[in-house]
Amino acid sequence: EVQLAQSGAEVKKPGESLRISCKGSGYSFTSYWINWVRQMPGKGLEWMGRIDPSDSYTNYSPSFQGHVTISTDKSTSTAYLQWSSLNASDTAIYYCARHALTDSLGGDCWGQGTLVTVSS
Amino acid sequence: IVLTQSPGTLSLSPGERATLSCRASRTVTNNYLAWYQQQPGQAPRLLIYGASTRATGIPDRFSGSGSGTDFTLTISRLEPEDFAVYYCQYHGSSPLNFGGGTKVEIK
Repeated sequence: EVQLAQSGAEVKKPGESLRISCKGSGYSFTSYWINWVRQMPGKGLEWMGRIDPSDSYTNYSPSFQGHVTISTDKSTSTAYLQWSSLNASDTAIYYCARHALTDSLGGDCWGQGTLVTVSS
Repeated sequence: IVLTQSPGTLSLSPGERATLSCRASRTVTNNYLAWYQQQPGQAPRLLIYGASTRATGIPDRFSGSGSGTDFTLTISRLEPEDFAVYYCQYHGSSPLNFGGGTKVEIK
């Protein structure tokens, strides 16, 4: 079964760093982009960026470039989303989703989401 | 590509037909337009990709159409489990923007 399993909920203070994870299983991890998507409380979906696990090539949304870093460890089939300095506006659910490297299929498998709460 | 979904909310009864619109700010390359359903507290689920191809396991009451800049998701007869929020997304080259969503609610 194809699955993306995300790390658990986090509670952090403003200014702290954080890395959340997304582990793929049941498929060839290096054959699909891993995308990260933000959903702020009560709001819609926002595409943050993606990584090609085969070579770690990344694309970022201009809205998130410079504020987050997407990385991957293909030896463990895991992708990461990290912040060096959180702020309260980073409070959201973060989803990972896989897309075919050909771009032709859309996000056909999603993680369960990781809730990040940033509060002093 | 900026995607604009309309209406923001659609109030319908079970058994009725739902028509959701997604308009792009410029031509969508290869018609790489996807539709997702999101239930409260759940991750989104892929319904349609390539503007008109149903994803695996999606019932045939869901259909996608359109090309260029105008796309439509149609639910032929609403079932109780279809009341949810629907998003379109461009799934081609970066950035893979989403539309703002349409909530389909029970009238």
